[in-house]
Amino acid sequence: GAVVSQHPSWVICKSGTSVKIECRSLDFQATTMFWYRQFPKQSLMLMATSNEGSKATYEQGVEKDKFLINHASLTLSTLTVTSAHPEDSSFYICSARDLIGLAENYNEQFFGPGTRLTVL
Amino acid sequence: GEDVEQSLFLSVREGDSSVINCTYTDSSSTYLYWYKQEPGAGLQLLTYIFSNMDMKQDQRLTVLLNKKDKHLSLRIADTQTGDSAIYFCAETGSSYKLIFGSGTRLLVRP
Repeated sequence: GAVVSQHPSWVICKSGTSVKIECRSLDFQATTMFWYRQFPKQSLMLMATSNEGSKATYEQGVEKDKFLINHASLTLSTLTVTSAHPEDSSFYICSARDLIGLAENYNEQFFGPGTRLTVL
Repeated sequence: GEDVEQSLFLSVREGDSSVINCTYTDSSSTYLYWYKQEPGAGLQLLTYIFSNMDMKQDQRLTVLLNKKDKHLSLRIADTQTGDSAIYFCAETGSSYKLIFGSGTRLLVRP
């Protein structure tokens, strides 16, 4: 149980295009999903918190018009990197929180395998 | 603000114990976590400890928490080559957000 998937696992795009990354909770309902960014050999930086049916909450310094987040259902959140540029190249990881049953503690987050974005 | 720090690198011989250390600043931390990340992959939760505990053991893993010094450690007994990875400590405080350390790269030598 508690599996989170991401699609695609990697993507290469041209500068100026938009890229959508999906995060799905496969066997539980995730009222809250998180999006992180990880640079090579660095830690995970929280970008935004996404609650089903409401607007995402962005961390300081993260451009909400650049990184569009939609959490339309209890099992799917999407991150769209708009007008991507080479500096957006990174490893994007989502996580999901299950308030109801699977987690031993209410704070536990289940992580997806990540999506590597390369912008040429 | 909240800050979590770890040493960057640890090298051990196979079969020895590994100890990875972490310090944090948020005195209101409720849960502290250890995650493992293998190359090109997401994070796997290894274990966690509630802030009112001093120690937690789970098979080869032992977590020690010194709340006074805000120091957390992860001991891996009988370290194997498959334990080579990056280990992140993380904490949640008054909010539900996970604050991660910089990660410790563990290299296990045969």
